[in-house]
Amino acid sequence: AQKVTQAQTEISVVEKEDVTLDCVYETRDTTYYLFWYKQPPSGELVFLIRRNSFDEQNEISGRYSWNFQKSTSSFNFTITASQVVDSAVYFCALSEGTSGTYKYIFGTGTRLKVLA
Amino acid sequence: KAGVTQTPRYLIKTRGQQVTLSCSPISGHRSVSWYQQTPGQGLQFLFEYFSETQRNKGNFPGRFSGRQFSNSRSEMNVSTLELGDSALYLCASSKVGGLTDTQYFGPGTRLTVL
Repeated sequence: AQKVTQAQTEISVVEKEDVTLDCVYETRDTTYYLFWYKQPPSGELVFLIRRNSFDEQNEISGRYSWNFQKSTSSFNFTITASQVVDSAVYFCALSEGTSGTYKYIFGTGTRLKVLA
Repeated sequence: KAGVTQTPRYLIKTRGQQVTLSCSPISGHRSVSWYQQTPGQGLQFLFEYFSETQRNKGNFPGRFSGRQFSNSRSEMNVSTLELGDSALYLCASSKVGGLTDTQYFGPGTRLTVL
């Protein structure tokens, strides 16, 4: 069955620390997409990254980086030198299926608190 | 470029009433999806509309329905409200929707059922 697991419910770090948010997924499909979203207190989910199942290249965007490993079905997200503004709930999501009957499945989220 | 807008932002209703939520997608986006977010169940997919047709549906009772207009704006309706319907309802738009497309979310409508 399709599933996205974010085992870390809440993480607290001190500003400038690096932090990694874990995401493990389950799918039987060979073609799928993985996403990370940030949900600040305002409630709106902000798109961070999309990765397809055929592209295992890691990606870096400023202080953010993503490590996609199909062998372990993981798509982890690292924030380097965290800042207070990074405090939010972060969701990992999986989309799979066909365009007509696809599923978009979210993990339960990891609440990140960055303390000044 | 304007983002996804949702109205109203907050709503209080009583059990048994019905409610209609509205979502205006990003200009040029033809797909609109709706999600329910609750502390207990997390983010759950409700349905997706594309070109005025429901294309995909999650596992929710028939009390939850929606529609999409020719300008891609979408409405979601919940009839005979129950306490458990209290949630943040998020709308997401994408260019064509489906498996490969990225969804951009609105700020949500927080519904409280008393």
